[in-house]
Amino acid sequence: DADVTQTPRNRITKTGKRIMLECSQTKGHDRMYWYRQDPGLGLRLIYYSFDVKDINKGEISDGYSVSRQAQAKFSLSLESAIPNQTALYFCATSFGRSTDTQYFGPGTRLTVL
Amino acid sequence: DAKTTQPNSMESNEEEPVHLPCNHSTISGTDYIHWYRQLPSQGPEYVIHGLTSNVNNRMASLAIAEDRKSSTLILHRATLRDAAVYYCILINDYKLSFGAGTTVTVRA
Repeated sequence: DADVTQTPRNRITKTGKRIMLECSQTKGHDRMYWYRQDPGLGLRLIYYSFDVKDINKGEISDGYSVSRQAQAKFSLSLESAIPNQTALYFCATSFGRSTDTQYFGPGTRLTVL
Repeated sequence: DAKTTQPNSMESNEEEPVHLPCNHSTISGTDYIHWYRQLPSQGPEYVIHGLTSNVNNRMASLAIAEDRKSSTLILHRATLRDAAVYYCILINDYKLSFGAGTTVTVRA
């Protein structure tokens, strides 16, 4: 079984709808992250969490919110989806040291019409 | 944040070595050099990392210049499964800043 899972894997929605992307991990890591990737570009950090009570904004947090329900679960919400949020979304986890390897999920492809 | 510069693309023949350069002239003393790769339709995966000394693992080798302003990822014998986008990243905290990376194509 995969260590980092994301649901759904694909989602098509309409402008203005609320969308939640979910991430679960079985690695026992404290740190979790949400990134987005646009075609031909690298990944950009949306939000990150160092533990259940710690949530921080990344470089592109506008239009997104997150919830860390438990050590193993980190959800990303788009309160009112817009077309330029169409992208590939990745969840990642890592241990507590700042330079530790990050382990990525398989991604969620989101299309906002 | 310190930035990295990589070629957009590189091609290799199967079973031949691939040398992927990365320039990071503004690297700080505490920045680690990490390499990730992203295979088609997958999330990024860790390849290797180092601070000052050259590093080897089962996937690749990392050669770091003495002044640390550049590094080279070496895939010793490329296979078709090594076709991916390779990212060179500097990190001294949790932040991974991904650029566009180098797209590696492996010819059979």
